Amino acid sequence: GIQVEQSPPDLILQEGANSTLRCNFSDSVNNLQWFHQNPWGQLINLFYIPSGTKQNGRLSATTVATERYSLLYISSSQTTDSGVYFCAVESQGGKLIFGQGTELSVKP
Amino acid sequence: EAQVTQNPRYLITVTGKKLTVTCSQNMNHEYMSWYRQDPGLGLRQIYYSMNVEVTDKGDVPEGYKVSRKEKRNFPLILESPSPNQTSLYFCASSFALAGVPSSSYEQYFGPGTRLTVT
Repeated sequence: GIQVEQSPPDLILQEGANSTLRCNFSDSVNNLQWFHQNPWGQLINLFYIPSGTKQNGRLSATTVATERYSLLYISSSQTTDSGVYFCAVESQGGKLIFGQGTELSVKP
Repeated sequence: EAQVTQNPRYLITVTGKKLTVTCSQNMNHEYMSWYRQDPGLGLRQIYYSMNVEVTDKGDVPEGYKVSRKEKRNFPLILESPSPNQTSLYFCASSFALAGVPSSSYEQYFGPGTRLTVT
């Protein structure tokens, strides 16, 4: 089946720094989503981005479907950005495969 | 308020005692799904449903059952729980286009149910 790999697995930043998280997938996909799981366990959808670029405040995402990767950019990071970031791909109708996540810690 | 609710939030049970975790959404979403989250294994899909009376297996369906009799509800049933089903469970929902392969959209997650089977 399709493989989803995220990098880096862990990231520590100083508040105000920028970062790029990567999601590689092994086959063509129908859609791709990015999620944030906060330290209390809540999962929030950040982007639905099967292709192209989207921006939402300090976060933006780009998916290059032909090259099988997606990037999540976090600018001017804040302590509230801490948590785990997951990408998930849908390769066939309804079936989602998640990456292992990138655990981000933003220090004040 | 648009939301996905799960009950119970925490459950400790014993091996073999049937249990049901409920999931309900008030957004009129077609698509609903169950996931389990385990340390080192990330999130894995158990079952999903593209619409009423339509369910499909995810990556780890063994030991679980689901039903989708109403659009808003998608209960997860463990007929005979075992300790390896101790996990954090999430329900999610999204819009979907019936009959279209790429048909789930932004997923909204419930708060999670922490299940311990002893």
